[in-house]
Parts: sequence; C-alpha cells; structure tokens
Amino acid sequence: GAGVSQSPSNKVTEKGKDVELRCDPISGHTALYWYRQRLGQGLEFLIYFQGNSAPDKSGLPSDRFSAERTGESVSTLTIQRTQQEDSAVYLCASSQDSSLNEKLFFGSGTQLSVL
Amino acid sequence: GQNIDQPTEMTATEGAIVQINCTYQTSGFNGLFWYQQHAGEAPTFLSYNVLDGLEEKGRFSSFLSRSKGYSYLLLKELQMKDSASYLCAVTSKAAGNKLTFGGGTRVLVKP
Repeated sequence: GAGVSQSPSNKVTEKGKDVELRCDPISGHTALYWYRQRLGQGLEFLIYFQGNSAPDKSGLPSDRFSAERTGESVSTLTIQRTQQEDSAVYLCASSQDSSLNEKLFFGSGTQLSVL
Repeated sequence: GQNIDQPTEMTATEGAIVQINCTYQTSGFNGLFWYQQHAGEAPTFLSYNVLDGLEEKGRFSSFLSRSKGYSYLLLKELQMKDSASYLCAVTSKAAGNKLTFGGGTRVLVKP
C-alpha cells in the first residue's frame, strides 16, 4: 500500500477483554515499531522488529502485551485482560532499514478505550 | 538507556521565531530526528541530523552538537498551522538503532 495502515482506527472494549491491533507496514520496509501515546503525552516505545532479528521487546509494559510480525509484513499487537490504564492511541511505524537511520512513516493509529 | 529532555510547552506569535531545545544522553549516538505532530494526527518527519551543524529546510532548521548532547529545532516566520507538538527522537547503536522519543514540545502560535 501507499502508507502504513492500521486497523481498527477506534476500539472500545470492556475491562478484562483481549484486543488485537493490526498494522500493515509499507511494502519493503524491514523495520517496524509499535508506540503508545497517552493523551497529551509523548510516544512511549513498546516493541521493535528489524528484519529477521529477534524483536526488541524492552518497552512492553507487562506480560499482558505481546506482538508478532509475519516476515516483513503484517504485525499484530495483542493486549490481554485489558485495563483502563491501557486506554491510549497505539501507533505503528515502519522504515526501510533502521540500521541506515531511515525516517519512520507512521500509521494513523488505533484509539483504544477501555471502559 | 536513553534520556531525552525537551520543554513541555511554548507559546509564540505569528510571524515570529521559536527555538525548541532538546538534550539527550545516550551511548553510541547514531542520529537525531525531529517530527511534527498535529493534534489527533500521526507524527510526520521534519529533519534528521547525524553530524554537527545546522540543517536548513525552508522555514525549519535543525542544529546538532554531539559533544554537548544537544539539538534545537528553529521555526521561522511562524504560521498558525505550525501549532503542533514537536518530537525529538534519538537512535543509538547501543539501543540496537531503535528510535526513542522525548516527551514532545507543544507549540501554540497566537495571532
């Protein structure tokens, strides 16, 4: 596709339910990031995939959070047993090759609201 | 780890100049980015510095001093549409080249 695509754009869920967020990066981009952004705050790093290397999961806030990426394409971020504190915008971004310091292209994000 | 600091908010007048400072502490610095984010939208790339000095791009310029761990983004001839958050981000080899963001600076341009 022409840009990074995220779905759904909005998700409202009940506390305790699991949610799955999807990201389709730009074709050919080997690096993929997930960030969380709470209202009025900066971007909080969650997880980073680079090619076939093991993902950097150092930003995941708890074991309720996990992410997968199939090859160099689609990624899914899963949040289990959601809590109200998980409410935020989840942004996905991709770049051609992070080792070359290529700029990131961001998706429009998924606004997650946990009631 | 990486530590990136920038002011939370700044206010400026239309037509004026604003300078947004960013200081960072990191091991194996590998590059610094500035992104712009309008409210409710995704961040978009503004500039990239890896060597010391000033990079100019139209009304926007970005400066880097690696020895001081310091960068600034200079916005000239401010327009109302420049009201947005400006995010400083750093990559380092020690962090596997992942991009880490500061908290962002919200700039409000007043008429």
